[in-house]
Amino acid sequence: DVKVTQSSRYLVKRTGEKVFLECVQDMDHENMFWYRQDPGLGLRLIYFSYDVKMKEKGDIPEGYSVSREKKERFSLILESASTNQTSMYLCASRLTGGGMNQPGGYTFGSGTRLTVV
Amino acid sequence: AQSVTQLDSHVSVSEGTPVLLRCNYSSSYSPSLFWYVQHPNKGLQLLLKYTSAATLVKGINGFEAEFKKSETSFHLTKPSAHMSDAAEYFCVVSERDTGRRALTFGSGTRLQVQP
Repeated sequence: DVKVTQSSRYLVKRTGEKVFLECVQDMDHENMFWYRQDPGLGLRLIYFSYDVKMKEKGDIPEGYSVSREKKERFSLILESASTNQTSMYLCASRLTGGGMNQPGGYTFGSGTRLTVV
Repeated sequence: AQSVTQLDSHVSVSEGTPVLLRCNYSSSYSPSLFWYVQHPNKGLQLLLKYTSAATLVKGINGFEAEFKKSETSFHLTKPSAHMSDAAEYFCVVSERDTGRRALTFGSGTRLQVQP
C-alpha cells in the first residue's frame, strides 16, 4: 500500500524555536504539498514542490520555509515558531499529470498536530 | 483562480434519512472536483472525484455527487445516513489544465448523525 509518512503525530515546541516537520513518501511522486488545517478554515496550502529542489509558495507561506533535497522527502520549517502556528499540519503527494486520473490522485499523511507554547 | 464554498458548516440528520452536503466552486479552467472525508483523529479519505466523465459520480459508502456546470455546484448526497457517516467532509477543487497546481479545500461541513 502506498504511503505518506509524517514523522511525528504530536509535537509541542516553545515560541522562538526552529521546528522541522518531516514528510516521506514511497510512491516516487514528483509533487508534494504542505497544508495546515484549522477549524472552520479547511486546509490551506503553505508550500508545494513539483520536483527535487523546486518549490512554490502556496496561499499562506509567511513564517514557513521548505526543503526538498530528495524526491521522497519534503520538510516544512518554522524558522521561529509562534503561537499562531499552532495547528494540524498535513503533507500530501501525487504524480504529475497522470495523478489526477488515478484512484485518489493525492495521498495524504495522517498529520502532525503542533502546539507552540 | 479557483475557490470552493461549502454552504453549511454543520449538518445534522437522523439515522436512515437522506444526506445533502452543499458545495459551490469557482474555477478559471475545467475543474476536477473531489469530496474527502475526515473521521475524528483520522487522515483524509477520498470519497469520490469528478474529472470530466459522467456528471453523476458514485463514490464509496453509498455517497454520490452531481457536477452541475450551469450552477457551479457539486453537492454530495446519500440516500440513507448511517451513524458511521458522522465526520467532517471537504469539497475540493483542482484545475486540470494547470497540472502542478495543488488542491483548494472548502472550509468543511461537519455531519452529525442522530440515532
